[in-house]
Amino acid sequence: NAGVTQTPKFQVLKTGQSMTLQCAQDMNHEYMSWYRQDPGMGLRLIHYSVGAGITDQGEVPNGYNVSRSTTEDFPLRLLSAAPSQTSVYFCASSPLRTRGSYGYTFGSGTRLTVV
Amino acid sequence: QKEVEQDPGPLSVPEGAIVSLNCTYSNSAFQYFMWYRQYSRKGPELLMYTYSSGNKEDGRFTAQVDKSSKYISLFIRDSQPSDSATYLCASMDSNYQLIWGAGTKLIIKP
Repeated sequence: NAGVTQTPKFQVLKTGQSMTLQCAQDMNHEYMSWYRQDPGMGLRLIHYSVGAGITDQGEVPNGYNVSRSTTEDFPLRLLSAAPSQTSVYFCASSPLRTRGSYGYTFGSGTRLTVV
Repeated sequence: QKEVEQDPGPLSVPEGAIVSLNCTYSNSAFQYFMWYRQYSRKGPELLMYTYSSGNKEDGRFTAQVDKSSKYISLFIRDSQPSDSATYLCASMDSNYQLIWGAGTKLIIKP
């Protein structure tokens, strides 16, 4: 099925470990983004990209890196995991021309626990 | 103060009731307003979007925006147990970024 695919679905990390959360979409969307969702906080933007080779920071970028080498893929890297990064992470995409004004397509999320 | 405020609930109503979900926002420059539905352990999915003020209807769902009072509403008629989910409101700022409410958990009791 067309859409946004996130892997892994669940992950437990130890403090200080690094890992990459994968996001891929097959809708040829130029715009891709990463959010984290915490109870009572809503969705907070981490990083976003408007096309291959272009990335920018969102509201809460510290501790995370991104790159966009292809239109389809937008991985999120945790450099040195901290317990404060325990959260549910969502990848979302949309056509650039609408920039999400008609809605984003979200993946099913990665549940990350840092111990 | 958050730019988009939303009561987290939970809001529990009997099946068949009319549900009213609400958000307030502070930035008068917001032009696009959305409602997303999120089932447990799933990603949000777009339910409805509106541009500027007014109403928009889609089946049992009606989205309403009152820019004069900076109020966003979602009404669900003839609510069903399958409507039980968390409902997220969002507004778009001038940089095309969505500003999200915290979400309201809705429970429809059979």
